[in-house]
Amino acid sequence: DAGVIQSPRHEVTEMGQEVTLRCKPISGHNSLFWYRQTMMRGLELLIYFNNNVPIDDSGMPEDRFSAKMPNASFSTLKIQPSEPRDSAVYFCASSFGDWRRDTQYFGPGTRLTVL
Amino acid sequence: AQTVTQSQPEMSVQEAETVTLSCTYDTSESNYYLFWYKQPPSRQMILVIRQEAYKQQNATENRFSVNFQKAAKSFSLKISDSQLGDTAMYFCAFMNEAGNMLTFGGGTRLMVKP
Repeated sequence: DAGVIQSPRHEVTEMGQEVTLRCKPISGHNSLFWYRQTMMRGLELLIYFNNNVPIDDSGMPEDRFSAKMPNASFSTLKIQPSEPRDSAVYFCASSFGDWRRDTQYFGPGTRLTVL
Repeated sequence: AQTVTQSQPEMSVQEAETVTLSCTYDTSESNYYLFWYKQPPSRQMILVIRQEAYKQQNATENRFSVNFQKAAKSFSLKISDSQLGDTAMYFCAFMNEAGNMLTFGGGTRLMVKP
């Protein structure tokens, strides 16, 4: 399996622009997670989905952030409008089956820079 | 709420030697899961090892092993025969039994020196 796939790997944009990050989970995995990593705050869980349904989005920083999972093989994280403080590495992860017992497998991350 | 603390922001070790990374956590739950993740410069998170709290035996994966002290709420990672490729950020993580919370520590940056 190719593992969790994220695109783009790097994104540079200007403040105010819309940014869309994409994730393809490992085939057969039922749960998908979005994380953000910064030097100041470490790794933060933003949102997770189970069977394409958002279960907990309490980690989403504000209304500028939104995430969707239209099907089992694709998810997006959108920031609109983007701000410099959104600059971070965004990770997607997925897990199989009973996700409460299974380990999350991470993608390579997307490094976002907002100028 | 769970908290995970990694008290060593940075560590270094000579190649081929052994190093131990510390992790403590706080929880009121009796059953839970603990993980160590490695994040090399490539930024991809890699699972190193996991431990179920109900298992008394310490988990081992090749050169990586843990010292799980449930009463002390401690979960340290030992890396034996350190290799240059072990240079990375290491994150300790806690997952509650319900699985709706995954908490990470702040990370320890490990440098393996030749």
